[in-house]
Amino acid sequence: GAGVSQTPSNKVTEKGKYVELRCDPISGHTALYWYRQSLGQGPEFLIYFQGTGAADDSGLPNDRFFAVRPEGSVSTLKIQRTERGDSAVYLCASSLWGGGNSYNEQFFGPGTRLTVL
Amino acid sequence: ILNVEQSPQSLHVQEGDSTNFTCSFPSSNFYALHWYRWETAKSPEALFVMTLNGDEKKKGRISATLNTKEGYSYLYIKGSQPEDSATYLCAFRAMYSGGGADGLTFGKGTHLIIQP
Repeated sequence: GAGVSQTPSNKVTEKGKYVELRCDPISGHTALYWYRQSLGQGPEFLIYFQGTGAADDSGLPNDRFFAVRPEGSVSTLKIQRTERGDSAVYLCASSLWGGGNSYNEQFFGPGTRLTVL
Repeated sequence: ILNVEQSPQSLHVQEGDSTNFTCSFPSSNFYALHWYRWETAKSPEALFVMTLNGDEKKKGRISATLNTKEGYSYLYIKGSQPEDSATYLCAFRAMYSGGGADGLTFGKGTHLIIQP
């Protein structure tokens, strides 16, 4: 079956511009996660959705970053006034259920490589 | 802040040789430890999810062990092949006592290169 897909695969933008990154999770997965991998680092957690609501947004670095999941499926990560330090690979993952202490494997998309010039 | 460390950072191995690398993680509030393989331009691929102290898991030539009391996991690759070249990531999931769920905390990865 189809896995997690992310678009675009690459995005080059100029400092100060607005960007949107899209994630299509596996059908039926209620939990959706965004991570960011900067050069030389492991992926870092940004935000987690359970259904339509953001259950944990503690990883968002500042208020320029925002994510939505209006219908509980596709999610969009939005970055305003991009800075060079935002350059990274943005990964999306989904799982069947993420609540409380239940265990669920996360399946990752291929990521969007964002470059801010 | 949770600290997940992987070593070595990179590794060059001759084809046919066996190798192993380490992930260390907090020994408190342990819930699960994940291993992923990530090839360039592809999605991270789940290898193992380990939840019990003493767990040993195997998938083909790759195996992993878990020690939650001392906070480490080893990944072993037997008879390395060129297709094993990738970055191997471990990720820690903490026990969560409230509602919702925490994301995974990743190490920086071990970059493995198999030389023919």
